Amino acid sequence: SQTIHQWPATLVQPVGSPLSLECTVEGTSNPNLYWYRQAAGRGLQLLFYSIGIDQISSEVPQNLSASRPQDRQFILSSKKLLLSDSGFYLCAWSGTGLSTSGELFFGEGSRLTVL
Amino acid sequence: AQTVTQSQPEMSVQEAETVTLSCTYDTSESDYYLFWYKQPPSRQMILVIRQEAYKQQNATENRFSVNFQKAAKSFSLKISDSQLGDAAMYFCAYRSPVRRGGSEKLVFGKGTKLTVNP
Repeated sequence: SQTIHQWPATLVQPVGSPLSLECTVEGTSNPNLYWYRQAAGRGLQLLFYSIGIDQISSEVPQNLSASRPQDRQFILSSKKLLLSDSGFYLCAWSGTGLSTSGELFFGEGSRLTVL
Repeated sequence: AQTVTQSQPEMSVQEAETVTLSCTYDTSESDYYLFWYKQPPSRQMILVIRQEAYKQQNATENRFSVNFQKAAKSFSLKISDSQLGDAAMYFCAYRSPVRRGGSEKLVFGKGTKLTVNP
C-alpha cells in the first residue's frame, strides 16, 4: 500500500534562518506531488506541485522554493524565513493517468513557527 | 478559475443527530471531481467521500452522504448519527478532470469546524 511521510512534524525557527521540509512517498511510482500551506481561517493554499523529477510549478510568488530530486521525494525550502512563513505545511500525492480516482493523499503535516 | 465556498465557518450537532455541511463551487467545466476531507485535531487530512460529476447518484460512505446538485453547483455533506469522533474541520474540495500529462490541483474551501456535543 502507498504511504506518505513528511518531517519534521514541528519546527521552530528564527527569522532569517533556512528551512527544509521533506516529504517522501512509498508504494507508488511517478506520483504527482504537492505542497500546501494552511493558515488559520484561510483554508489550504497550494504552494507547489510537481508532475515529475525536476518539474516544479509554483502557484504563488513567495519566499519559498521546492525541489524534486527523486521520483518520490519532494522538498520545500527557504533561504531566509519570514514571520509570514509560519503555518502548517502539508505534503500530498496523487496518482497519474486517466484511470486515477482524483483524490489527494496527505502526509501528517509540519507545523512551522517563525519567531 | 474554480472557487469553492463553504458558508458555515462553524457548526455544532448533538451526538446521534444529523448535520449537513454546505458547499458551493464555481466552474465552467462539465466533468470534475468533488471531495469532502476531514481534518481532526491530529491535523492529518483524511478523505471522507468523493463524487464524480458525471455520476448522478449521490455518493455514500456509511454514515456520510452527499447531496450533489450539479445545476446548482452545490455539494453538501450529511453526517448521520453523529459521533464524538466526527468533531473536526471539514473541507470541501474541487478538482478538474484528470488529463494526460497534466497535474490537476485541488481547490479547497476555507472549511467548517464541526463540534459534536455529548
